[in-house]
Amino acid sequence: DAGITQSPRYKITETGRQVTLMCHQTWSHSYMFWYRQDLGHGLRLIYYSAAADITDKGEVPDGYVVSRSKTENFPLTLESATRSQTSVYFCASSERGGYSPLHFGNGTRLTVT
Amino acid sequence: SQQGEEDPQALSIQEGENATMNCSYKTSINNLQWYRQNSGRGLVHLILIRSNEREKHSGRLRVTLDTSKKSSSLLITASRAADTASYFCATDLTGGSYIPTFGRGTSLIVHP
Repeated sequence: DAGITQSPRYKITETGRQVTLMCHQTWSHSYMFWYRQDLGHGLRLIYYSAAADITDKGEVPDGYVVSRSKTENFPLTLESATRSQTSVYFCASSERGGYSPLHFGNGTRLTVT
Repeated sequence: SQQGEEDPQALSIQEGENATMNCSYKTSINNLQWYRQNSGRGLVHLILIRSNEREKHSGRLRVTLDTSKKSSSLLITASRAADTASYFCATDLTGGSYIPTFGRGTSLIVHP
């Protein structure tokens, strides 16, 4: 099925552990994004990618690493998870960045204990 | 930091009434988008309005854009309980990297 999928849907991890959130899209969109959503803050951009092998920081990149070796995948890694990274993470894709609609996955709810 | 800010933060109405949400932004934009988010789900795109457009319609949705006031409004006519959701505006800055930034959203509750 065409679309954008995130995995896992829920994740509980311990402080200090590395965790990777996966994102896969089937449209071959150029742009992909990672946002985190927290109460009182709305959606904040972590990283984005304009094409394969091109990534750039967003508003809140510290503690996160991304890669994009293939157009369809954009994994987000928390190198050493902290409690402040407990959040809901959304991946999105679009054809032309902010010039076109974003298509969102259903999110990954991450809890860091 | 958020470029767009929605107002009000929360809105509670009865089914059949109209719902109006506003979005204000700070700097010039190429376009403005509105999204809906149902509880526990990802955001869904509703309407994109470009900076040279003043009004767009989609079904029961009407979006206006006033670039002189740096504001936009989303009107949902004849609201239904299924319209209960959070609504976000997103702006794409001119001269920037074409990356949408989102506001904090308006939480709409439509009572049956």
